[in-house]
Amino acid sequence: EPEVTQTPSHQVTQMGQEVILRCVPISNHLYFYWYRQILGQKVEFLVSFYNNEISEKSEIFDDQFSVERPDGSNFTLKIRSTKLEDSAMYFCASSSREFEQFFGPGTRLTVL
Amino acid sequence: RKEVEQDPGPFNVPEGATVAFNCTYSNSASQSFFWYRQDCRKEPKLLMSVYSSGNEDGRFTAQLNRASQYISLLIRDSKLSDSATYLCVVNIFTGGGNKLTFGTGTQLKVEL
Repeated sequence: EPEVTQTPSHQVTQMGQEVILRCVPISNHLYFYWYRQILGQKVEFLVSFYNNEISEKSEIFDDQFSVERPDGSNFTLKIRSTKLEDSAMYFCASSSREFEQFFGPGTRLTVL
Repeated sequence: RKEVEQDPGPFNVPEGATVAFNCTYSNSASQSFFWYRQDCRKEPKLLMSVYSSGNEDGRFTAQLNRASQYISLLIRDSKLSDSATYLCVVNIFTGGGNKLTFGTGTQLKVEL
């Protein structure tokens, strides 16, 4: 069964450093997403990406965040200058036109 | 009012019991509805989509009432392996993709 994969599984970084989280969506999917979940809180939408551009972003997704699809398979989330409050699980998801989104296993980001 | 509201639980039930979860959503523009399951520190996994006509998948039955903006999930003959957090999720199609809004989840513990 096809699945979304994410690397790394855990990333530890110092405050102010840049991080890039990587995702490989399901191959025939057209829509890509990033969500985050702070420990003990609900899953929150960050951004959706379609046809090589951002289609929607939340208030959380400020200028410190960017997404890219550098090639035909990878989808990345970059945080330019990490803050303590960026510590969370970051989930990538993808969907076809049928709207059901499938999530990757997540990257746990710890900012020290 | 929260966008998606769920009773956080926990619901502690014996094996074999029937348990019901409820959810309400505030945005009447919501277009599709889902139940996801999340195990501790894992990604949300799609359990089932929810339709107005009601739908059943084995021991799981989901129901949607658009007029009341109310979604339910019924689990029959619960198993130990059903222990997880159940996430009520609503979707709004934004033209370029789908934005999922999650509830905080209802925790289920099935005991011997």
